[in-house]
Amino acid sequence: GEDVEQSLFLSVREGDSSVINCTYTDSSSTYLYWYKQEPGAGLQLLTYIFSNMDMKQDQRLTVLLNKKDKHLSLRIADTQTGDSAIYFCAYSDSWGKLQFGAGTQVVVTP
Amino acid sequence: GAGVSQSPSNKVTEKGKDVELRCDPISGHTALYWYRQSLGQGLEFLIYFQGNSAPDKSGLPSDRFSAERTGGSVSTLTIQRTQQEDSAVYLCASSSRTSGITDTQYFGPGTRLTVL
Repeated sequence: GEDVEQSLFLSVREGDSSVINCTYTDSSSTYLYWYKQEPGAGLQLLTYIFSNMDMKQDQRLTVLLNKKDKHLSLRIADTQTGDSAIYFCAYSDSWGKLQFGAGTQVVVTP
Repeated sequence: GAGVSQSPSNKVTEKGKDVELRCDPISGHTALYWYRQSLGQGLEFLIYFQGNSAPDKSGLPSDRFSAERTGGSVSTLTIQRTQQEDSAVYLCASSSRTSGITDTQYFGPGTRLTVL
């Protein structure tokens, strides 16, 4: 099976909260990341969480980590049209190589 | 400061030709990674350089792929005898990772390779 799994698509209304979920298999990963990719652009690091934390908040972004269930989520509060993008969940292995999920396409509608 | 840069931004080539893709990492970053993003395969790790150590080539899909990192800075990914399945966006990332510590990877804008 895939090392990192994400749902492929999320539609959300402007102003609502978005929640993107991710599950992973490697329990030894130290850091878990969320990257954002806008059309035609590279990957932009949004936020990351250390594996001994269960929550991290950064402005409109909240990351929740359930290490027991190997579940990571990203919540975007007050979603804006500029948040429309593909969001990738990733973890780094012991050598720092990133293992990515397939990405969740978020579409924000007015 | 300057981020990771890659060139060219787009490359169209004919099947069977060789191509070279360049990556300039963030100054001072010791670790450099190449990834490939293609439809149906998502984002795949290709190769990793850390300082003067031998590179981790475990992600290279075939012996047509090779990479060098000269002087611990600029890296070149070479694809020989390109095939249509090599069409993808090739992403480079760098980090200031030191042994035992995982640091954030910063990505370049990528090179879109199209093999006709």
